[in-house]
Amino acid sequence: AQSVTQPDIHITVSEGASLELRCNYSYGATPYLFWYVQSPGQGLQLLLKYFSGDTLVQGIKGFEAEFKRSQSSFNLRKPSVHWSDAAEYFCAVGVRGGYQKVTFGIGTKLQVIP
Amino acid sequence: EPEVTQTPSHQVTQMGQEVILRCVPISNHLYFYWYRQILGQKVEFLVSFYNNEISEKSEIFDDQFSVERPDGSNFTLKIRSTKLEDSAMYFCASTQVGTSYNEQFFGPGTRLTVL
Repeated sequence: AQSVTQPDIHITVSEGASLELRCNYSYGATPYLFWYVQSPGQGLQLLLKYFSGDTLVQGIKGFEAEFKRSQSSFNLRKPSVHWSDAAEYFCAVGVRGGYQKVTFGIGTKLQVIP
Repeated sequence: EPEVTQTPSHQVTQMGQEVILRCVPISNHLYFYWYRQILGQKVEFLVSFYNNEISEKSEIFDDQFSVERPDGSNFTLKIRSTKLEDSAMYFCASTQVGTSYNEQFFGPGTRLTVL
């Protein structure tokens, strides 16, 4: 079964600083990979996804993520964080060749300080 | 852009009561899901549904839970006798069938509070 590890439960960055949120997955083949963002009390907004092709994917709000098969990672990055980016970020993995569940990581809560 | 909708946005109920959470998936989607997120925890899969039957379910999805597609547009999750620990945000999702990519589109969620 697939699993996702987000090693950082809570990250604090200064506004304007760069950001990298880590995600490692466990799955026997190349998975589908997703990053979602959730503001307090809100639903899940898809930031970006990887299905195939270019391993560097661009998403909304200036985010990007890179799929590294050798490291089983899909880290999320942003060059300059804005105060409005403060939220919780979830990495998720899906299975190819079917319609099975998506498995989420535990999430990383991002705090942005002025 | 088509989206998944869920009603109500917030439901408060007494322990032991039945609740029905409603979802309207994207119109040409045929595979449906329910997920749950207890406050402060990760999103967990409950059940998937296709062709009027459960395709996959988690250990959370016990006999107190049921799902139904009562008509051509709605997809419901019923909790027969709610417990305090059922308090959570419940997300519905849907996906197309017949594409190479299983991208699930999530609704905004229903926050269920059991008192």
